[in-house]
Amino acid sequence: GNSVTQMEGPVTLSEEAFLTINCTYTATGYPSLFWYVQYPGEGLQLLLKATKADDKGSNKGFEATYRKETTSFHLEKGSVQVSDSAVYFCALSTYNNNDMRFGAGTRLTVKP
Amino acid sequence: EAGVAQSPRYKIIEKRQSVAFWCNPISGHATLYWYQQILGQGPKLLIQFQNNGVVDDSQLPKDRFSAERLKGVDSTLKIQPAKLEDSAVYLCASSLDRVQPYNEQFFGPGTRLTVL
Repeated sequence: GNSVTQMEGPVTLSEEAFLTINCTYTATGYPSLFWYVQYPGEGLQLLLKATKADDKGSNKGFEATYRKETTSFHLEKGSVQVSDSAVYFCALSTYNNNDMRFGAGTRLTVKP
Repeated sequence: EAGVAQSPRYKIIEKRQSVAFWCNPISGHATLYWYQQILGQGPKLLIQFQNNGVVDDSQLPKDRFSAERLKGVDSTLKIQPAKLEDSAVYLCASSLDRVQPYNEQFFGPGTRLTVL
């Protein structure tokens, strides 16, 4: 079945450090891939998405590239800020199901 | 534009009691989802509605969980009777139309349930 595996946390970085959160997936067909972010006390928000191989999703300085050959969708940011502290979820959905499968989440804490 | 509304935000009950959660999706969104998010895990889909019909409830524990979406707008999720393992955050989400590909799901703030 479809599933997502993401890097375990927690991850603690200093402000302006480089961030990578790894995500790999297993899916039949051609899934769309997503990163959602959950800030403290808030609901999940879509951060970025990619719908086909080699697409790059980007938002708020975050980027992730859909790599079909390695079945990966790693999240990166060149310089993190304290305000990026949150839990990040990698997810996939397939065209005909639209049922979102989430990873376990990675908690990021950025210290000043 | 108003987001997905959920209530209550927090609920504490004892095991074997009943509880209900309410969700109001974004206006015009045909598809509504209920997820269960256990601490330390990602959300797991419980049930999906398209308008007022159930599309997928394969992961809903039907012996104790039920959900309805009357008139294709608001939805309620009920647990009766609750077990300790039901302690989780229950998330509601909505999207424009499941038929269209890659529709973004918009999430509510969730209801945190604690079963003692």
